[in-house]
Amino acid sequence: GQNIDQPTEMTATEGAIVQINCTYQTSGFNGLFWYQQHAGEAPTFLSYNVLDGLEEKGRFSSFLSRSKGYSYLLLKELQMKDSASYLCAVRDPNTGFQKLVFGTGTRLLVSP
Amino acid sequence: GAVVSQHPSWVICKSGTSVKIECRSLDFQATTMFWYRQFPKQSLMLMATSNEGSKATYEQGVEKDKFLINHASLTLSTLTVTSAHPEDSSFYICSARDGVTGDGKPQHFGDGTRLSIL
Repeated sequence: GQNIDQPTEMTATEGAIVQINCTYQTSGFNGLFWYQQHAGEAPTFLSYNVLDGLEEKGRFSSFLSRSKGYSYLLLKELQMKDSASYLCAVRDPNTGFQKLVFGTGTRLLVSP
Repeated sequence: GAVVSQHPSWVICKSGTSVKIECRSLDFQATTMFWYRQFPKQSLMLMATSNEGSKATYEQGVEKDKFLINHASLTLSTLTVTSAHPEDSSFYICSARDGVTGDGKPQHFGDGTRLSIL
C-alpha cells in the first residue's frame, strides 16, 4: 500500500517561517498535493508538485524530491489565520492515479 | 476556478432517518467524484468513488447498502446515509476533479456536511 508520514503538530510564532515535512512511500508516483484545512471546514488546494524542485506561490512554497520520497511546505511571514491542518496527499498508483491518498495532516498553531 | 458545491452544510436528525447529501460541480463536468468522511482531529477517509452512469466503487469496510451513491449526471452526485444512527455522525465531504487523470489539476472539495444523529 501507499504510506505518507507527516508530523502531527507544530507550533510557530506570528511573522516566522515554518517548514512542514512529508515523506511518502508509493509503488508509483504521479504528483504530490498540499491542502490546507481549517477546523470544521473542507480542505482547500495549496500546491502541486510533480517534478523535483521548489514551487513558489506567494507566502507558500512547496518542494519535492522524488528520489528521496520527500516534500515540504514552507510558510513565510506567518499569520494567525495560517493556524490550520496541512494535508499532504499523493495519487494512488493502484487506482490509475485516480484517487488521492492523504497523510494524517499536520496541525499548525500560530501564536502571537 | 473550479467550484464544488455541497448541500446541506449541516444536518441534525433523529436516529433511523435517511439523509441525502448533494455534491455539484458548478463550472465543470466531473465524470468522477469522491466521498470522504472525517472524524474530529482525524484525516480524510475515502468512502467511495462515484462514477457518472455506473455503480460507485466503495472502499473496504464501507457498507454500500448503508451509504447509497448516485451519480446521475456529469455535475451531480448524491450520498444517502440510510437509517442513520449516532455512530454515523461525522463530517462528510465530496470532491471532484476537472480534467483527466495525470494532469496537474487537483481535486476540489465541497464545503462539507456536518451530520449529527441524535
